[in-house]
Amino acid sequence: AQTVTQSQPEMSVQEAETVTLSCTYDTSESDYYLFWYKQPPSRQMILVIRQEAYKQQNATENRFSVNFQKAAKSFSLKISDSQLGDAAMYFCAYKEGRDDKIIFGKGTRLHILP
Amino acid sequence: GAVVSQHPSWVICKSGTSVKIECRSLDFQATTMFWYRQFPKQSLMLMATSNEGSKATYEQGVEKDKFLINHASLTLSTLTVTSAHPEDSSFYICSASPLAGGWDEQFFGPGTRLTVL
Repeated sequence: AQTVTQSQPEMSVQEAETVTLSCTYDTSESDYYLFWYKQPPSRQMILVIRQEAYKQQNATENRFSVNFQKAAKSFSLKISDSQLGDAAMYFCAYKEGRDDKIIFGKGTRLHILP
Repeated sequence: GAVVSQHPSWVICKSGTSVKIECRSLDFQATTMFWYRQFPKQSLMLMATSNEGSKATYEQGVEKDKFLINHASLTLSTLTVTSAHPEDSSFYICSASPLAGGWDEQFFGPGTRLTVL
């Protein structure tokens, strides 16, 4: 069965600094997608960034970028120039290409220090 | 972007009563909708997947008779917690996917907090 592991329950970063959140996953599939979701205190899930497994190029969305290491099954999220509004729970997630289900990791709570 | 709403946003009920939670896709048709449960400071746990016009597919360990799901139209799915008990208190989140399969994004509702007294 596919699993998603986030080994950092909590992290803190100084405002304007850069932080990297780790995620590893386990799958035997070749066709899949990876996501990072943000859940702020409002509890609304927000898609931060997504990566198709077949793409070698790492996805980037403004201050958010990923380091996708397919062979190592690693999918880390880098947040540059951290802002107070980035404080939230971040979930790494996996989805098989032929399936609709998303499997979430346990999450990493990110604190931004002013 | 696509918007998914949930109603109510919070509900308090007495033990033994049933509670219905609605999930609506406001500006797109959702072939598939998903219901998640989230305990405090924990991850989202998928409860069931529902496709319009067919029976929901429940995840292992989720009681079908306790959590009734109806996906009667392409814009509405409902979750009914029957004979609710305090252990059913949780945060329930729905999501909707515009197309079947592929990597189509799931759009999440704002969640419903259920408290059973």
